Amino acid sequence: SQQGEEDPQALSIQEGENATMNCSYKTSINNLQWYRQNSGRGLVHLILIRSNEREKHSGRLRVTLDTSKKSSSLLITASRAADTASYFCATTGANSKLTFGKGITLSVRP
Amino acid sequence: DAGVIQSPRHEVTEMGQEVTLRCKPISGHNSLFWYRQTMMRGLELLIYFNNNVPIDDSGMPEDRFSAKMPNASFSTLKIQPSEPRDSAVYFCASSFLAGGYEQYFGPGTRLTVT
Repeated sequence: SQQGEEDPQALSIQEGENATMNCSYKTSINNLQWYRQNSGRGLVHLILIRSNEREKHSGRLRVTLDTSKKSSSLLITASRAADTASYFCATTGANSKLTFGKGITLSVRP
Repeated sequence: DAGVIQSPRHEVTEMGQEVTLRCKPISGHNSLFWYRQTMMRGLELLIYFNNNVPIDDSGMPEDRFSAKMPNASFSTLKIQPSEPRDSAVYFCASSFLAGGYEQYFGPGTRLTVT
């Protein structure tokens, strides 16, 4: 399976700190995406990184991709209470389907 | 644009009843996806359509589940008969194309089967 697996499963930090979340996958991919889900809501796309890219930035988000290790990381800098949510990585392979991991629960304490 | 619209937002039904979930994708998007989310199994892709045609329904759990997309602006997911283990949040998502483009999710339908 090319399903992404996030690590850790839960993360609690203080507002202003950085949050780092990791994702590992098993087979080759075309791209990897990160999504956020607030409680009781649908998923929201955050960032997409292609297999030939190593790093990408979007505002306070930084994503890295290491295809040799089949892993990605999402860094949220200067976290805010509003960043409290579940974060999912999702991979796309040759079958064109998006496969989601189980998610990471991030809690940012004010 | 209003985003992906799903209805109803909540559905409570008794075992054995038929349930129909509805979705209106974002205008101009050519791909539509139905997902199911539970604590135990996470987010599972049930079926997806390209240009109103079902492409992959391998995630549909069994024959009790069926999905249709009669036109570019409407899709339904039907469960008949429903069972308690179908209780979950069902999401519809759309994207410009399949193949790894970013997907836009609706707010979901929380289904409870008693």
